Amino acid sequence: DIVMTQSPDSLAVSLGERATINCKSSQSVLFNSNSKNYLAWYQQKPGQPPKLLIYWASTRESGVPDRFSGSGSGTDFTLTISSLQAEDVAVYYCQQHYTFWTFGQGTKVELK
Amino acid sequence: QVQLQESGPGLVKPSETLSLTCTVSGGSISGYYWSWVRQPPGKGLEWIGYIFHTGNTKYSPSLKTRVTISVETSRNQFFLRLTSVTAADTAVYYCARHLWFGELSPFDYWGQGILVTVSP
Repeated sequence: DIVMTQSPDSLAVSLGERATINCKSSQSVLFNSNSKNYLAWYQQKPGQPPKLLIYWASTRESGVPDRFSGSGSGTDFTLTISSLQAEDVAVYYCQQHYTFWTFGQGTKVELK
Repeated sequence: QVQLQESGPGLVKPSETLSLTCTVSGGSISGYYWSWVRQPPGKGLEWIGYIFHTGNTKYSPSLKTRVTISVETSRNQFFLRLTSVTAADTAVYYCARHLWFGELSPFDYWGQGILVTVSP
């Protein structure tokens, strides 16, 4: 299994400030045949299912605000919320979709 | 707008079989991959397995001896069976659709989830 490790486990950010979440995979999730990284990011609010934000490491899902961006390649990835809004308070998960599907442990984003 | 809805018993006894149904509305089950994912209370997400509308399946290595996923395309439903359950199987179970680019894609539509508790 590919193990996904996120950091930090939680962070507190002021409204309008930047939030950065890191995700590391135990092996590369870069598909050589198409040069795409098979890494996705989800947002989960209490009592709700996860919501897909980003796939292929940096492709924003339709309807996702452009303050959410993804970057990285190989084994190291980052989700950035450029200007935190109140509705962004949630737990964020990375997921590799390269071999089976495994998730990071989650990062809780709160308001400072 | 595609919608998924899980249904089934919310309480299962230890050693018995957990059986859930996912009903898809607003779109066809054909042409897509469909997965089951679970989340123990207060914990992270675990992929259980997927099925394609043809009946092709793939299961998590850690659960494959106990899991069966099947599909009924005429009813736009797919199913999860998990045998010999223990308290460790207590979780919210979600069904989800894979994104457009096929098997190796993340999940764009999710059901609301159903809490299944394993208890005597």
